[in-house]
Amino acid sequence: DIQMTQSPSTLSASVGDRVTITCRASQSINTWLAWYQQKPGKAPKLLIYKASILDSGVPSRFSGRGSGTQFTLTISSLQPDDFATYYCQHSDSYSYFTFGPGTKVDIK
Amino acid sequence: QVQLQESGPGLVQPSETLSLTCTVSGGSISKYYWTWIRQSPGKGLEWIGNIYYTGSTNYNPSLKSRVTISVDASKNQFSLRLISVTAADTAVYYCARPGYFWAFDIWGQGTTVTVSS
Repeated sequence: DIQMTQSPSTLSASVGDRVTITCRASQSINTWLAWYQQKPGKAPKLLIYKASILDSGVPSRFSGRGSGTQFTLTISSLQPDDFATYYCQHSDSYSYFTFGPGTKVDIK
Repeated sequence: QVQLQESGPGLVQPSETLSLTCTVSGGSISKYYWTWIRQSPGKGLEWIGNIYYTGSTNYNPSLKSRVTISVDASKNQFSLRLISVTAADTAVYYCARPGYFWAFDIWGQGTTVTVSS
């Protein structure tokens, strides 16, 4: 099975900062990667799919890059609404899905 | 637009069976896969399994021996059954739909299930 890791596990930042979260896969996953934002008590929200495609309505300050085993989610200018936990997720079929352990972005 | 709503008991006794239903509104259950995901307190997300509207299923190998997912297209619902639960099964359970490139674009609000006597 493919394992997903994320770094850092926690990130402290200020409003306006550029923030980058890394997700790594244990083997190549092409660009089959999605990113989610989750706030306390809420369901995750899809931000990006296929590594770099923004879901509808997602602000352009979010961007995703990568292929193979290393991927990044970047927030170009952190806004108050962006303090949350971010997860990466991989699947390349309907037979198996796996999530990364999450990265919490909190206020410095 | 399509919305999902989980329902079921919030408290289950250890060794008993957890049963949840997800109701799909605003669209048909047909022609899509439908998924259960859970999140233990303070932990990450775990894919439990999914079902195609025809009834074909896929399960997480770590839970496969205890999980059954079923669909009732006439009611626009799909269900989760997890047997022999323990405290480790305490979690928020979400239903979700994988969309483009297997990314979950639609989620229910989640329902908390506690396993305790």
